[in-house]
Amino acid sequence: NAGVTQTPKFRVLKTGQSMTLLCAQDMNHEYMYWYRQDPGMGLRLIHYSVGEGTTAKGEVPDGYNVSRLKKQNFLLGLESAAPSQTSVYFCASSYRQGSYEQYFGPGTRLTVT
Amino acid sequence: AQTVTQSQPEMSVQEAETVTLSCTYDTSESDYYLFWYKQPPSRQMILVIRQEAYKQQNATENRFSVNFQKAAKSFSLKISDSQLGDAAMYFCAYRSALTGTASKLTFGTGTRLQVTL
Repeated sequence: NAGVTQTPKFRVLKTGQSMTLLCAQDMNHEYMYWYRQDPGMGLRLIHYSVGEGTTAKGEVPDGYNVSRLKKQNFLLGLESAAPSQTSVYFCASSYRQGSYEQYFGPGTRLTVT
Repeated sequence: AQTVTQSQPEMSVQEAETVTLSCTYDTSESDYYLFWYKQPPSRQMILVIRQEAYKQQNATENRFSVNFQKAAKSFSLKISDSQLGDAAMYFCAYRSALTGTASKLTFGTGTRLQVTL
């Protein structure tokens, strides 16, 4: 069991470039999430998905798009990167109900210059 | 909307001593879950302990225990016999138990714990 994996682990972009972050989980979880972590602000939810083919906006969705074409994968896209999107991005997944926690990936450090 | 507040940006404890990290939250719901996550320098988020709001008994996991005060909306984490490996950022998180909320977590801003010799 690999758990939750994220690709890539590090990336440097120039302003205006685009990229896609890939999240994969092998635990058959229904729910998946993308967060960003900035100093002094904790983790904030960008987008989430409650199942294959469905996505929804979180707390800070602007400038990001997501897709969940397969249950095990959740993609986060930046169409035109901005310096304000410099952050550490975490993917997480969880079972649907109960007191189950979210399982997190190792994070992606993204720098936009 | 729920909010989670961690008022201690940094804490320090000596090895083998006990430390308590504070967390308060605001919600109008009666059923929910609370979590403490640990984030060491490796960045990996690790679940430390969870508490179901309907349970009066405080959760414990080895050296980690919580003081859950539902009426006061307080959820503190006590670490006993602190070890160097406990040095990390600790996040308190809230999750509604209502269906239709997608099990989303609301995080506090974190407390950085230093462990000294």
